[in-house]
Amino acid sequence: AQKVTQAQTEISVVEKEDVTLDCVYETRDTTYYLFWYKQPPSGELVFLIRRNSFDEQNEISGRYSWNFQKSTSSFNFTITASQVVDSAVYFCALSEEGGGADGLTFGKGTHLIIQP
Amino acid sequence: NAGVTQTPKFQVLKTGQSMTLQCAQDMNHNSMYWYRQDPGMGLRLIYYSASEGTTDKGEVPNGYNVSRLNKREFSLRLESAAPSQTSVYFCASSGQGRFTEAFFGQGTRLTVV
Repeated sequence: AQKVTQAQTEISVVEKEDVTLDCVYETRDTTYYLFWYKQPPSGELVFLIRRNSFDEQNEISGRYSWNFQKSTSSFNFTITASQVVDSAVYFCALSEEGGGADGLTFGKGTHLIIQP
Repeated sequence: NAGVTQTPKFQVLKTGQSMTLQCAQDMNHNSMYWYRQDPGMGLRLIYYSASEGTTDKGEVPNGYNVSRLNKREFSLRLESAAPSQTSVYFCASSGQGRFTEAFFGQGTRLTVV
């Protein structure tokens, strides 16, 4: 079973629209971390945010905001007033305390297209 | 600060050939990782090294070997390349292992023909 599900394979919006990228995770651990990474067309992976399982406060960073809800096992990412430069593939990832391997379990990514 | 440096950036191999992907980090991180990225699959962990001198298998280790040469360097070796190993390979490092953010290299695009 997928541990991190990003059901939206591709989203296309017009510039200045708000857009939310969904992330649903699965874990039996009480201690875990969730991450979001951005992969622009140039291919590198850029860290955006880390959130631990004990901190359900929403976070806002400029036009970016994250909504963490343990009750629904979701960690959604919203871009407000989207810009063309936001076009990228966005990955949600999970790291579990009890996981056998160190490292991150990634979702399959959401390709976000911002049209001018 | 270079961060995580991977070489080469691009490589074409013939089936059966071998090669080593190099990775070095200058952030004094203990943990290092190798991932592969395939279309529609996200990134999958191949091998990781929690500290100098240790290596462990990830989700997709078959066909690969790794060496943690020292704290800075973590190499990935394909002994006999197969077309199924065509992928983009990313090296990453993190300071405190599984609960801290990983910093990624620029990736190596490998094609096996």
